[in-house]
Amino acid sequence: ETGVTQTPRHLVMGMTNKKSLKCEQHLGHNAMYWYKQSAKKPLELMFVYNFKEQTENNSVPSRFSPECPNSSHLFLHLHTLQPEDSALYLCASSQDDEQFFGPGTRLTVL
Amino acid sequence: AQTVTQSQPEMSVQEAETVTLSCTYDTSENNYYLFWYKQPPSRQMILVIRQEAYKQQNATENRFSVNFQKAAKSFSLKISDSQLGDTAMYFCAFMMGVWGADGLTFGKGTHLIIQP
Repeated sequence: ETGVTQTPRHLVMGMTNKKSLKCEQHLGHNAMYWYKQSAKKPLELMFVYNFKEQTENNSVPSRFSPECPNSSHLFLHLHTLQPEDSALYLCASSQDDEQFFGPGTRLTVL
Repeated sequence: AQTVTQSQPEMSVQEAETVTLSCTYDTSENNYYLFWYKQPPSRQMILVIRQEAYKQQNATENRFSVNFQKAAKSFSLKISDSQLGDTAMYFCAFMMGVWGADGLTFGKGTHLIIQP
């Protein structure tokens, strides 16, 4: 266990559904991240939050909407996704250079 | 933009052997961090070892060590006395700056299999 939890661990949704992924860190870190891990591709940085402020949006489509209500929680709101969005979504947090990763949410879009 | 290249999609060695995973990167920055992360099957990604670019001395963590060649932009990971629990995906990653405002840039990973 790294101190970063993610729920749900698995999610199957249709293209017209709206769902949210949740990440929580119990480490007192100030920065939180969303990454996408697809088969045959490197992990891709999606969003970065520092002290609840978004500091990085890596050209992510608007069907992905992040929310960071406080330094311990991070959400990824999903709507009208495409089948190619099926992937493992990883959350991470950090205080300095080392990032601590959650177990991920395995998302399947039908 | 930075890029990280891992040229070995999969490697397999016998238990107790030494194995080296390769990683090259491209950047115009002078100050940065390099990492090796391990992702065991169905388990969380964890940090194996880190290297600050301004340090000439290669980082070492028990059986894990790196060969950092800044001029060549090379950052290989050596695992000595390999164990069955070392079986995992290994990712090389790059980070600019002090705390990672840009997040991590990852390579595609190397699937390391340790055979009994």
